[in-house]
Amino acid sequence: AQSVTQLGSHVSVSEGALVLLRCNYSSSVPPYLFWYVQYPNQGLQLLLKYTSAATLVKGINGFEAEFKKSETSFHLTKPSAHMSDAAEYFCAVSDTGGFKTIFGAGTRLFVKA
Amino acid sequence: NAGVTQTPKFQVLKTGQSMTLQCAQDMNHEYMSWYRQDPGMGLRLIHYSVGAGITDQGEVPNGYNVSRSTTEDFPLRLLSAAPSQTSVYFCASSYTQGGATEAFFGQGTRLTVV
Repeated sequence: AQSVTQLGSHVSVSEGALVLLRCNYSSSVPPYLFWYVQYPNQGLQLLLKYTSAATLVKGINGFEAEFKKSETSFHLTKPSAHMSDAAEYFCAVSDTGGFKTIFGAGTRLFVKA
Repeated sequence: NAGVTQTPKFQVLKTGQSMTLQCAQDMNHEYMSWYRQDPGMGLRLIHYSVGAGITDQGEVPNGYNVSRSTTEDFPLRLLSAAPSQTSVYFCASSYTQGGATEAFFGQGTRLTVV
């Protein structure tokens, strides 16, 4: 069975500081991994996805994530936080050729001025 | 381009009432799913469909029914609403690109059962 663990339900950073949101996954097959962002009262939007083509994946809004098989991790980073990055972020996993996406519990990012 | 459209956006039900949450997509995606979102629990899969006429259960299917008579529509039925079904419901449609399934989400339906 697949699962996703997001470490930290809340993360707070200052504007301009590094953003690091942690995600570990469990999968019996090579996974497809995703990060989604949810702004208040909206649905989820795809930030980036890992499809095995490259271990470092670049997404929208300056975010990127690195797939580390040995650590079963897919942490999301952004070098410099902006106030507009404040939102909830979800890591997700899907099996090979799958459509049943399993989501983590989410990490709410706060950005302080 | 509408994408995934959910109706209604808000709904209040009394315990025991039934209702249908509507979901429609105009992207000709094969896959559609329903999730519920509860604080601290992320999104949990209720039911999904891989095409018209084909549905299956997800992680938390009890108390919900679905059907898929067309590619575009995937309604979620609550047969007898319970307070535990108070949640935000999201419909998503998906396609596979290079093996990865990218999901497109609706804006959600906030349901309160009293």
